[in-house]
Amino acid sequence: AQTVTQSQPEMSVQEAETVTLSCTYDTSESDYYLFWYKQPPSRQMILVIRQEAYKQQNATENRFSVNFQKAAKSFSLKISDSQLGDAVMYFCAFYAGGTSYGKLTFGQGTILTVHP
Amino acid sequence: DTGVSQDPRHKITKRGQNVTFRCDPISEHNRLYWYRQTLGQGPEFLTYFQNEAQLEKSRLLSDRFSAERPKGSFSTLEIQRTEQGDSAMYLCASSYRADEQFFGPGTRLTVL
Repeated sequence: AQTVTQSQPEMSVQEAETVTLSCTYDTSESDYYLFWYKQPPSRQMILVIRQEAYKQQNATENRFSVNFQKAAKSFSLKISDSQLGDAVMYFCAFYAGGTSYGKLTFGQGTILTVHP
Repeated sequence: DTGVSQDPRHKITKRGQNVTFRCDPISEHNRLYWYRQTLGQGPEFLTYFQNEAQLEKSRLLSDRFSAERPKGSFSTLEIQRTEQGDSAMYLCASSYRADEQFFGPGTRLTVL
């Protein structure tokens, strides 16, 4: 079974600064995907960024980038130039390829506070 | 709006009552997922449909829970004889590819 661990229940950052959210996972699969989702107070999960395990290059989406360390099973999210609108809950998620049908395993979440 | 929709958004019920939630996926998506999210936790997988076939069910889905997806379109999740422990947000997601799920706004269930 896969597990996803977010060890930081809360993080804070000053507006315009950079913050890194941590995520570790455990799996015996070789083919898998990792995701970061954000969940605003309206509760609709929104995909922030996705990383395929077979790709060595770290994924980047505008101000969001990941540091994917496959051997260490670590998948951290870096938010650059933090904005007030980034202050939501962030979830790390894992999907094993093959016959898992795409079900996602989520971490416990990290609440990000952005100070003006 | 062509996103995933869920109805109702909020449901308050008394213990022992039955409730049914509906999810309308994005129209071209053949995959549909249900997740449950309790306060302060990440979502947990409940069940998966590919078209009308229910291909996977979590152990979390007790006998009191049933889900359907007739004709591979919308899906319903029914909880019979609700218990206070069923209070949670029930999320629906749909996708065309397994690695890209789009979530609905969820149905918040409160069991009194």
